[in-house]
Amino acid sequence: NAGVTQTPKFQVLKTGQSMTLQCAQDMNHEYMSWYRQDPGMGLRLIHYSVGAGITDQGEVPNGYNVSRSTTEDFPLRLLSAAPSQTSVYFCASKNRDMNTEAFFGQGTRLTVV
Amino acid sequence: RKEVEQDPGPFNVPEGATVAFNCTYSNSASQSFFWYRQDCRKEPKLLMSVYSSGNEDGRFTAQLNRASQYISLLIRDSKLSDSATYLCVVNRWRLTGGGNKLTFGTGTQLKVEL
Repeated sequence: NAGVTQTPKFQVLKTGQSMTLQCAQDMNHEYMSWYRQDPGMGLRLIHYSVGAGITDQGEVPNGYNVSRSTTEDFPLRLLSAAPSQTSVYFCASKNRDMNTEAFFGQGTRLTVV
Repeated sequence: RKEVEQDPGPFNVPEGATVAFNCTYSNSASQSFFWYRQDCRKEPKLLMSVYSSGNEDGRFTAQLNRASQYISLLIRDSKLSDSATYLCVVNRWRLTGGGNKLTFGTGTQLKVEL
């Protein structure tokens, strides 16, 4: 059972480059979300989706786009990378039950130089 | 004010000690509560859910006080392997857009030493 699979694990980008972080889950979860984690800031929500075809912004959406064409996949696109986007990114999925846990991917360590 | 607040620590304790973490939340509409554990450079993983009546899982005890809006985690007989960051997580329904809104605290770092 793969759970949540996130790729790549590490990435170095130059300022202005674009890239897509991939996230896939095999648990048929309705909810998927992207977080970034920075020292002292905790996990901050970038974008989320409550189902295929539905996405919405979280706390820190600027500079990122998402789409949800299938239940399984929820890619995160960096449009024009900036040094401020250097962070660790986590994808998570969850079903709609309020009392169940969220499952996280292994994370992507992104450095923008 | 942050929606979920935790003391960042670090808490440095000797092996075998009992240690307690507290977490406060500001939104009274919060409905479910969790403690997650995050090891260095790894993803967060569920440690335990927190129920209104309090719950225990081995050496770990979680308590919820809805009136005062705080959650606690007690670790007894600390092990070296308990060294990690403990995240307090609060869940509620979104007012718009639907779905759950999970809010994470910044985490409390625990270091268990020989």
